[in-house]
Amino acid sequence: GQQVMQIPQYQHVQEGEDFTTYCNSSTTLSNIQWYKQRPGGHPVFLIQLVKSGEVKKQKRLTFQFGEAKKNSSLHITATQTTDVGTYFCAGRDYGGATNKLIFGTGTLLAVQP
Amino acid sequence: ETGVTQSPTHLIKTRGQQVTLRCSSQSGHNTVSWYQQALGQGPQFIFQYYREEENGRGNFPPRFSGLQFPNYSSELNVNALELDDSALYLCASSLDRGRTEAFFGQGTRLTVV
Repeated sequence: GQQVMQIPQYQHVQEGEDFTTYCNSSTTLSNIQWYKQRPGGHPVFLIQLVKSGEVKKQKRLTFQFGEAKKNSSLHITATQTTDVGTYFCAGRDYGGATNKLIFGTGTLLAVQP
Repeated sequence: ETGVTQSPTHLIKTRGQQVTLRCSSQSGHNTVSWYQQALGQGPQFIFQYYREEENGRGNFPPRFSGLQFPNYSSELNVNALELDDSALYLCASSLDRGRTEAFFGQGTRLTVV
């Protein structure tokens, strides 16, 4: 079945350092979404990428969707303590009729002040 | 807040028992999906309901069943509980079953002893 892997599993940074998490799917995706989950919380939608090679920015966050629509990345510039949490990518099967999201394994970000 | 509410927030059940979890979707959303999130892992898709009908199912046994009501609220039922069913159960509502973002509720933490 379809699998979505993320690396790294865990990243510890000093406040102010940059952070990147990478997401790879075993199959082509129609779109990819990114979610953030704070410790003890629920996933919160960040963004959706649809087009091949698409790049979107949200303040210090930059999201990319690969040309082959099988990989994606999230880059945070100058991390802050408020960035702490687990970042999940979630892909949707190409041509699927449902909004079934296949979540990645997640990257837990720890930020030391 | 997303406007998606789940009840109860926490629940302890004994192995072999049955449980019903409830979800109120965001106003105007006709699609509800249920996910199981084990500790330290990404959410796993259980099934989706669109306009009161099941519209896709993940790799979960038949003892996981659901309902969606005319007001688009939903229930997840799990029979013959097993210890491995202990997890955070998340409900997500969407504007439709297509490619839109999912709004997650705060989840129900189920512990099976």
